[in-house]
Amino acid sequence: AQSVAQPEDQVNVAEGNPLTVKCTYSVSGNPYLFWYVQYPNRGLQFLLKYITGDNLVKGSYGFEAEFNKSQTSFHLKKPSALVSDSALYFCAVRDSYNTNAGKSTFGDGTTLTVKP
Amino acid sequence: DVKVTQSSRYLVKRTGEKVFLECVQDMDHENMFWYRQDPGLGLRLIYFSYDVKMKEKGDIPEGYSVSREKKERFSLILESASTNQTSMYLCASSLPYRTTGSDTQYFGPGTRLTVL
Repeated sequence: AQSVAQPEDQVNVAEGNPLTVKCTYSVSGNPYLFWYVQYPNRGLQFLLKYITGDNLVKGSYGFEAEFNKSQTSFHLKKPSALVSDSALYFCAVRDSYNTNAGKSTFGDGTTLTVKP
Repeated sequence: DVKVTQSSRYLVKRTGEKVFLECVQDMDHENMFWYRQDPGLGLRLIYFSYDVKMKEKGDIPEGYSVSREKKERFSLILESASTNQTSMYLCASSLPYRTTGSDTQYFGPGTRLTVL
């Protein structure tokens, strides 16, 4: 079975400060991990993914995420937040043992607010 | 770029009406998905399809059905709309894992359905 948790409903940071949005997962096999972002009144957009290889994954808009197998985490990070980063962020996971046509499980989402 | 379009951005229907939500993707993706998004509940999978005329139930299929007669089009049907189906509906598509080594999903802009 696969599951994902985003422990924070809301994250607030000041512009220019580093930001972290947390995600933890549970899988039976190996995890395929994704971050998506939803700007107001828009559909979800893919940000980045971890499949295999380097634990630090770089994605769009200056975001990166660190895969930590021992802590079963995949936290999203950015060194310097922008007001325009304010959005709803979703973490998603698919278990390598899940052969079910690419069906991923999404977290409940974290609202990031960056204040000027 | 992958483009996923949904037939309506906003829709208002009455209880008991039959409702059709249409989704079209232009990248020849095998997989297509329908989710509903509700505050605090994240994305919940209603149905997905991994090929023409093939479909599988997601986590919350009750009250919904789907149709996939052509590869590019995936329709969600509410047989008899109810007020608890008021929600944001998101369509997505992806290539299968065996093709790309991952299954990044590409989302449409969403349809906000209100059932009165």
